[in-house]
Order: sequence, then C-alpha cells, then structure tokens
Amino acid sequence: DTAVSQTPKYLVTQMGNDKSIKCEQNLGHDTMYWYKQDSKKFLKIMFSYNNKELIINETVPNRFSPKSPDKAHLNLHINSLELGDSAVYFCASSQEWGGGYEQYFGPGTRLTVT
Amino acid sequence: RKEVEQDPGPFNVPEGATVAFNCTYSNSASQSFFWYRQDCRKEPKLLMSVYSSGNEDGRFTAQLNRASQYISLLIRDSKLSDSATYLCVVNRGNTPLVFGKGTRLSVIA
Repeated sequence: DTAVSQTPKYLVTQMGNDKSIKCEQNLGHDTMYWYKQDSKKFLKIMFSYNNKELIINETVPNRFSPKSPDKAHLNLHINSLELGDSAVYFCASSQEWGGGYEQYFGPGTRLTVT
Repeated sequence: RKEVEQDPGPFNVPEGATVAFNCTYSNSASQSFFWYRQDCRKEPKLLMSVYSSGNEDGRFTAQLNRASQYISLLIRDSKLSDSATYLCVVNRGNTPLVFGKGTRLSVIA
C-alpha cells in the first residue's frame, strides 16, 4: 500500500498554462506539506497544512495555490506556469505538526515547463 | 551563512570502507536533528534521528555536538547499496524542517 501518493509523476507543459498536482496520504496523519526541489537539488518547503488549515506559506509566488479538501489530501494548483517552475515537487505528511515527527514523502512530480 | 551546510561531495569510496559526513547548523536554538537519505530520482526517506547522546543503527552512527553546532554520520563497512545523497535536517520547534543540500556518496566495487 502506498503511504503518500502523488499524481501525475511527470508533467510536461508549456509556459502560461495552468496545472494541478494531487497528493493523498493514507497514514492518518494530521499534517501535510509541499516541497520544491530544484535542479541544484535544494529541497525547500512551500506550504504546510495541519488538519486542513494552512500554517506555513513560505515566500512562494501567488500563482501557487494549495488546497486541502480533507486531512488526507493536499493539492497544488499552479497558474501561468513559468520556465523557472521546472522542478520536482514533493508532497509529504507527518503524524502531527512540529519538527520532531518523521516526514513521509511521496514519489515526487517532475514538472517541466517548455 | 546558510542555516544548514554540508559538503556536497561526491565522496567516492570502495566497498567496505568507513566514511563520515559532517553537517553544521547556524541556529543554536535548533532542537531536532535528522539524517535523511535520497536515492537518485527518488523521494527522501528518514535514515535516523540524531539524539544528544548519539545513536547507532547497525553500520550507521550519528552524533550531535551542540557546542560546535554540528552533526555527523558515520557509515562502516560501506555497501554498494549505500550509494545515495545524505541530507542533514534541522528543526527549531514549531518551524519547518530545514534541509541541507545533501552529501553525495558513491560506493564503488
């Protein structure tokens, strides 16, 4: 059974398009995250939700909008895609909010903007 | 100064070798420390937590030095399957985890 799943795994699209990435966790965790890993492999948090409420919103362009319909899902919608958005986007979850908990990552969505 | 710094490597070592990585952190208020492992084109996975007293898990030993603000990871008897990027991760209470850029290890037959 997959703990944290993301769809799609690969996404190739043109500049200016709008796209969404979906994430689901079946671990019963309260907290979910979106991370971006760029070409230099630096993993940086974008958003965090705890019990469907946004608790972290790092300095991310407002073209990125997360949505959490329920505790098990955290989707990421991106408007007006730009070349610099090309990266791997990881969803993750943890049992509760707070740094001491292990984070479980999804397999990643490799986004390429042309 | 970056909050978490690691030598990016790569460290190329023969099978059976012992290899050690260090990671320094800048914020003395940091409370939790971890090593994550990331295989090529895969997601990061927790390798081990780092406790004040240090901890060992098989061939892996992690140490914390609060005075000098660094953590270390020692791998004994390296296996080919240990080839990966090792991410140092630091946390300050109710704030996001901060990931280092990772140290790449290649174990060669």
